[in-house]
Amino acid sequence: EAGVVQSPRYKIIEKKQPVAFWCNPISGHNTLYWYRQNLGQGPELLIRYENEEAVDDSQLPKDRFSAERLKGVDSTLKIQPAELGDSAVYLCASSSRQTRAAQYFGPGTRLLVL
Amino acid sequence: SQQGEEDPQALSIQEGENATMNCSYKTSINNLQWYRQNSGRGLVHLILIRSNEREKHSGRLRVTLDTSKKSSSLLITASRAADTASYFCATEESGGSNYKLTFGKGTLLTVNP
Repeated sequence: EAGVVQSPRYKIIEKKQPVAFWCNPISGHNTLYWYRQNLGQGPELLIRYENEEAVDDSQLPKDRFSAERLKGVDSTLKIQPAELGDSAVYLCASSSRQTRAAQYFGPGTRLLVL
Repeated sequence: SQQGEEDPQALSIQEGENATMNCSYKTSINNLQWYRQNSGRGLVHLILIRSNEREKHSGRLRVTLDTSKKSSSLLITASRAADTASYFCATEESGGSNYKLTFGKGTLLTVNP
């Protein structure tokens, strides 16, 4: 079984530029999560999807962040415009109804904003 | 905001020794989970313990949960160099959004060969 796939793995951009991250969850997993992990910290949830519906986006900075999960499979997280403080690792995770509590993480995208 | 707090922040041991990491949290929970993160990688789910359980084993891992003290411990027995990683506890709060995990800051474990 393939794991959660994320791309790109690394991204370096200048502030005020837009950036997008892509995630392909494990096949059959209907729940998808985006987390942000700052250096030396644990992951913090940005948004959670159940199929194509965003059911928890309370932690998503909506002035500059947006996300979508078309057709309830792949998802894209976008930042526009990026700020210096957005430098972090962005992790995608997925889970299924069968193993609901356990989340399966991708390798993450490491973003550096200069 | 982070609910779990791991202790210690860093731990260095020799191969073959046992490693114990602790986690404290603040609110009532449905379950508590432990994850491992190798450098530059995503998190890997290790073990889940439900609020009505007190102890759980998985291979060389032993997890305890004390809901009265709002604390948990992760014991790794007979450690190996490959166990070198950061370990995070994560809690699913009861009465809150289902399946929302709140992670601690992690314990960095170094196992020296």
